[in-house]
Amino acid sequence: KAGVTQTPRYLIKTRGQQVTLSCSPISGHRSVSWYQQTPGQGLQFLFEYFSETQRNKGNFPGRFSGRQFSNSRSEMNVSTLELGDSALYLCASSSAYGYTFGSGTRLTVV
Amino acid sequence: QKEVEQNSGPLSVPEGAIASLNCTYSDRVSQSFFWYRQYSGKSPELIMSIYSNGDKEDGRFTAQLNKASQYVSLLIRDSQPSDSATYLCAVSNDYKLSFGAGTTVTVRA
Repeated sequence: KAGVTQTPRYLIKTRGQQVTLSCSPISGHRSVSWYQQTPGQGLQFLFEYFSETQRNKGNFPGRFSGRQFSNSRSEMNVSTLELGDSALYLCASSSAYGYTFGSGTRLTVV
Repeated sequence: QKEVEQNSGPLSVPEGAIASLNCTYSDRVSQSFFWYRQYSGKSPELIMSIYSNGDKEDGRFTAQLNKASQYVSLLIRDSQPSDSATYLCAVSNDYKLSFGAGTTVTVRA
């Protein structure tokens, strides 16, 4: 059974640019959530989607947005990038048995 | 008060010893609890989930949950060098996971 697939694995962007990250959940999983991991703040929840509906959102500015498609794939977008957005962005696919994380996208903002 | 707090570590144990990790959470209505292992540069990997009071054993790992005390723990028996990693406690509420800061465990050969 394929795991959670995140693309791309690495990104380097310039301040002010925007970026889109993609996540394909485990087949059959309809819930996808996103997390940001930094050395200073640890793992922080961004948002969660189920059947194309956002059910919860973390305390991040409006520059962070996401969406989910009918095939459960999800994207997150960060506009007007800041240096502090450099982080590992993780997507998790969940079922009744728990949350499975993808390999993450390492975003570096320069 | 943070939603999830873990003993700060780092924790260094000799090979073959028991490593004990602790976690407390603030939201009394929480129902699902997880332990993740994260190797440096990798994503978190689920190693244990626990939903009811008591102990749950899986191989060398035992998770303990006490909802009255809002406390979750993880024991790693017969610790191996491959267990050297950061262990994250996570609590599920409202379709999200809240994580502790993690405890870094080093197993000395």
